[in-house]
Amino acid sequence: EAGVTQFPSHSVIEKGQTVTLRCDPISGHDNLYWYRRVMGKEIKFLLHFVKESKQDESGMPNNRFLAERTGGTYSTLKVQPAELEDSGVYFCASSQDLGPTRARQYFGPGTRLTVT
Amino acid sequence: AQSVTQPDIHITVSEGASLELRCNYSYGATPYLFWYVQSPGQGLQLLLKYFSGDTLVQGIKGFEAEFKRSQSSFNLRKPSVHWSDAAEYFCAVGTYSGGGADGLTFGKGTHLIIQP
Repeated sequence: EAGVTQFPSHSVIEKGQTVTLRCDPISGHDNLYWYRRVMGKEIKFLLHFVKESKQDESGMPNNRFLAERTGGTYSTLKVQPAELEDSGVYFCASSQDLGPTRARQYFGPGTRLTVT
Repeated sequence: AQSVTQPDIHITVSEGASLELRCNYSYGATPYLFWYVQSPGQGLQLLLKYFSGDTLVQGIKGFEAEFKRSQSSFNLRKPSVHWSDAAEYFCAVGTYSGGGADGLTFGKGTHLIIQP
């Protein structure tokens, strides 16, 4: 079974440009999560999709970030326009809803975003 | 709001020695507790989790963790470390809503360095 995949693995853009990150969850996983780790800080939750619906977007830092999951399969996270403080590693995770005792999230390798 | 504290940013251990990584959490009820490991270039891999029941949890790669409610702790242990255990370790706390697991709250991580 393929794991969570993310594309690209690394992106370098200039301040003011737009970048779109993609996440392909494990097939059949209805839950999809985005996280971000800024250098030196903890991994922070951004948002949670259940199928194509946003279940929780309380962690999205501001309206320059737009996440979509059309069709309930892969997801994209767009940053427009990018700022220097957006640099960091963006992780995606997915999970099935198997109830609370079996709940676990599978993480992708992350996309390292560098804004110069 | 929940929070996780990993007080040690770096820990150096000799190969073959025992290991304990500390984790304290803050949450109003009994949370779901997780330990993840990230090796260079890899995504986060789940080592073990606690939901309820036996407070000593066994995980993969010979790791275990003990949930202590009175101390709000969930420390990770291994009796004898191997050079391949060098990685960054993250403690996380989560909750569960009807639609699936909620976004996780992570600690800042502990870098484990193994001395030969």
